[in-house]
Amino acid sequence: AQSVTQLGSHVSVSEGALVLLRCNYSSSVPPYLFWYVQYPNQGLQLLLKYTTGATLVKGINGFEAEFKKSETSFHLTKPSAHMSDAAEYFCAVSDSLGGGADGLTFGKGTHLIIQP
Amino acid sequence: DTGVSQDPRHKITKRGQNVTFRCDPISEHNRLYWYRQTLGQGPEFLTYFQNEAQLEKSRLLSDRFSAERPKGSFSTLEIQRTEQGDSAMYLCASSVGTGGNNQPQHFGDGTRLSIL
Repeated sequence: AQSVTQLGSHVSVSEGALVLLRCNYSSSVPPYLFWYVQYPNQGLQLLLKYTTGATLVKGINGFEAEFKKSETSFHLTKPSAHMSDAAEYFCAVSDSLGGGADGLTFGKGTHLIIQP
Repeated sequence: DTGVSQDPRHKITKRGQNVTFRCDPISEHNRLYWYRQTLGQGPEFLTYFQNEAQLEKSRLLSDRFSAERPKGSFSTLEIQRTEQGDSAMYLCASSVGTGGNNQPQHFGDGTRLSIL
């Protein structure tokens, strides 16, 4: 069984400061990992994904994440926060051997607050 | 690419009534997923279609829930005899793929169900 833990249900940073959202996963097989962002009353938008290859992945809107197998982590970072980054962020894991039959397992989300 | 479309966006109904939601995936996507998201939580997987075949159902999908994708294009999710606990956002996602889960899922804006 897979699981995702997002540390901190709320994270507050000042505009221009570093954003760090934490994600740890549990999976018995090599995982595929995703970060999604959700704005109020909208669906989820993909920020970035890790499948294989380079462990540092870059996404949209200046976000990036690093897959660390030894730490079972996939933390999301952005060097400089913008007011428009305020949203809910979800980390998700997929079973790489599932053959398409499994849905994503999501964390509970982290609400990012940007202080002016 | 017109994105994943869900209808209606909002549904308010009385307890005990039946409701049906529709999802139109991105046209070339052969995989379609349904998720449920309650307030303050991440989405939870309900069921998955590969073309017209329903290949996986979560234990969350009680016998009051039924999903179809009759021609491998749009899908419907029906809830019979709705209960207070069914109040949630119902999200649809689609993706391409013939093997593992490395293709990202694209989400619609969801249908918010409120049970009176």
